[in-house]
Amino acid sequence: EAQVTQNPRYLITVTGKKLTVTCSQNMNHEYMSWYRQDPGLGLRQIYYSMNVEVTDKGDVPEGYKVSRKEKRNFPLILESPSPNQTSLYFCASRRDKSYEQYFGPGTRLTVT
Amino acid sequence: GNSVTQMEGPVTLSEEAFLTINCTYTATGYPSLFWYVQYPGEGLQLLLKATKADDKGSNKGFEATYRKETTSFHLEKGSVQVSDSAVYFCALSTGNQFYFGTGTSLTVIP
Repeated sequence: EAQVTQNPRYLITVTGKKLTVTCSQNMNHEYMSWYRQDPGLGLRQIYYSMNVEVTDKGDVPEGYKVSRKEKRNFPLILESPSPNQTSLYFCASRRDKSYEQYFGPGTRLTVT
Repeated sequence: GNSVTQMEGPVTLSEEAFLTINCTYTATGYPSLFWYVQYPGEGLQLLLKATKADDKGSNKGFEATYRKETTSFHLEKGSVQVSDSAVYFCALSTGNQFYFGTGTSLTVIP
């Protein structure tokens, strides 16, 4: 089954404790992205990747890092999480820039 | 810059009512336009898309037409069902980046 998976689905952590949210897709897609969803703000793009080892900033990259060492994986790293990063995070992938995005189920992160 | 503005919600309709959710955009170049739907506890799913001016996207009874002259991409459905209750997002893509509206929550009551 074609899908985008994210782990964990729920995470509660404390300020400053490094964490990684994993994202994996099994569709051999070139493009992958991370978004955060906040009430009243919709989805905002954090980072995107056009291929292995090629990443770029989206609208809200501050406080986040990403890597794309393999085509199928695109982890989101929060080196020192802060409460304003409490949000619902979505990973997405697409075949190339002309195609639709497929979204993962989301990761709800709470930073206390 | 690029941005999407969509109708504020929430919207509550009776079953079989007509639905319109307004969406306007600002973009450089010639973006592709999308409507995504999000059911409770799930990720976004593509509902329909249009890639150039005057294209009409349609799916599951929903329609939207890419209007370059009014920079709009309004979502319509002639007769909504309870199962259409969800949050709807308008979005544009310039290639590498996507820009989403704030979402419109729709509740359809029997």
